[in-house]
Amino acid sequence: QSVLTQPPSVSAAPGQKVTISCAGSSSNIGNTYVSWYQQLPGTAPKLLIYDNNKRPSGIPDRFSGSKSGTSATLGITGLQTGDEADYYCGTWDSSLSAVVFGGGTKLTVL
Amino acid sequence: DVQLVQSGAEVKKPGESLRISCKGSGYSFTTYWISWVRQMPGKGLEWMGRIDPTDSYSNYSPSFQGHVTISADKSISTAYLQWSSLKASDTAMYYCATYAPSSTWYSFDYWGQGTLVTVSS
Repeated sequence: QSVLTQPPSVSAAPGQKVTISCAGSSSNIGNTYVSWYQQLPGTAPKLLIYDNNKRPSGIPDRFSGSKSGTSATLGITGLQTGDEADYYCGTWDSSLSAVVFGGGTKLTVL
Repeated sequence: DVQLVQSGAEVKKPGESLRISCKGSGYSFTTYWISWVRQMPGKGLEWMGRIDPTDSYSNYSPSFQGHVTISADKSISTAYLQWSSLKASDTAMYYCATYAPSSTWYSFDYWGQGTLVTVSS
């Protein structure tokens, strides 16, 4: 059972938009920054979003992040088949004194 | 460019010891903490702990405290993850990771390629 709760899977058609939620608590999302990662099959995770809504250099603006209270959301517009991957949220949990991740969401582009 | 290069895949028997490595290059190794992340087969990401290569101070997730040891040798820009007695349940992919100057330390911009550890009798 992960500290951060994500839907196991989401799907959408090419060109459409999808959102992935990440629910936490006041000891994690509610009081610190959230990051989002993309993990393509057989590869290491890749940072998509940091500090809730910032994109590292090279990440297209099709990817966006937001946070409200104890939840965060990753948005992906203009879906491409290459976006099929597992997506994870992550943050610091002050109660556990540990970095915590969501259980991951598998995105299928139909 | 920042690079983290990990040691190769390992196959071990239960009860054996193991140390895997993560070598940093393209940046000042002592500037940024290194974290280790576990991914069991078909499962999600789990943060194990981190080390400050400057003084080798480390802290661990409660889930991993006492089960592994994280260390570093700043003279060769290398961090390590070590087990004294492996179990079958340690079978997983292990990643090292670090962050960029503009990020918080728990936002991982750079990842190693992963080291697959298989523990089987």
